[in-house]
Amino acid sequence: EVQLVESGGGLVQPGGSLRLSCAASGFSFNDFGLSWVRQAPGKGLEWVSFISGRGDNTYYADSVKGRVTISRDNSKNTLVLQMRSLRVEDAAIYYCVRDRMETRVDRFDYWGQGTLVTVSS
Amino acid sequence: EIQMTQSPSSLSAYVGDRVTITCRASQSITTFLNWYQHRPGEAPKLLIYAASTLRSGVPSRFSGSGYGTDFTLTISSLQPEDFATYYCQQSYSTPPEPTFGQGTKLEIK
Repeated sequence: EVQLVESGGGLVQPGGSLRLSCAASGFSFNDFGLSWVRQAPGKGLEWVSFISGRGDNTYYADSVKGRVTISRDNSKNTLVLQMRSLRVEDAAIYYCVRDRMETRVDRFDYWGQGTLVTVSS
Repeated sequence: EIQMTQSPSSLSAYVGDRVTITCRASQSITTFLNWYQHRPGEAPKLLIYAASTLRSGVPSRFSGSGYGTDFTLTISSLQPEDFATYYCQQSYSTPPEPTFGQGTKLEIK
């Protein structure tokens, strides 16, 4: 059974940093691309970032480019999102999402339960 | 960025009704279109991919169609568990810049 379990969310002040993690199990981790998708309170879904199966290609939404770094450790089946210079508008539930493809975004076939990030002073 | 526009934004219907949600892309995305269901407090679920392919395990009352810029999601006979928010999402962009529609909230009448 595919499982994606996020952690690391919490309350942070504007301008602060936060590191989100996602522990994956139930599939061959390095065969699949992974994304972070977020949902701000009362808003819809927004893709944040993608990393290829081998970790050699990364992509970011314009809204987070330069402030966020996605990475993965294929030896530990773990996905990480390092966030810096956080803004109030970054507050959201962040979902760890598996893609059906290794090297490109195709379809998000498994989602974690999400971790809540709150940005407030 | 490819913009995705869903209509309606919200919809009220009875159990047993047939409902259709539409999704329009700002440019042709051929069939790079997926549909998701999102119930409150749960993780979103993939329902349909490549515009019309039903994901394994998804009930056959769900169907999708379309090509290019115009797409539809149809639920043939609403069940109580279908009341949720539905999102379309394009995966045509290269480099990847997937975008979602704003969502359609389906409520019980």
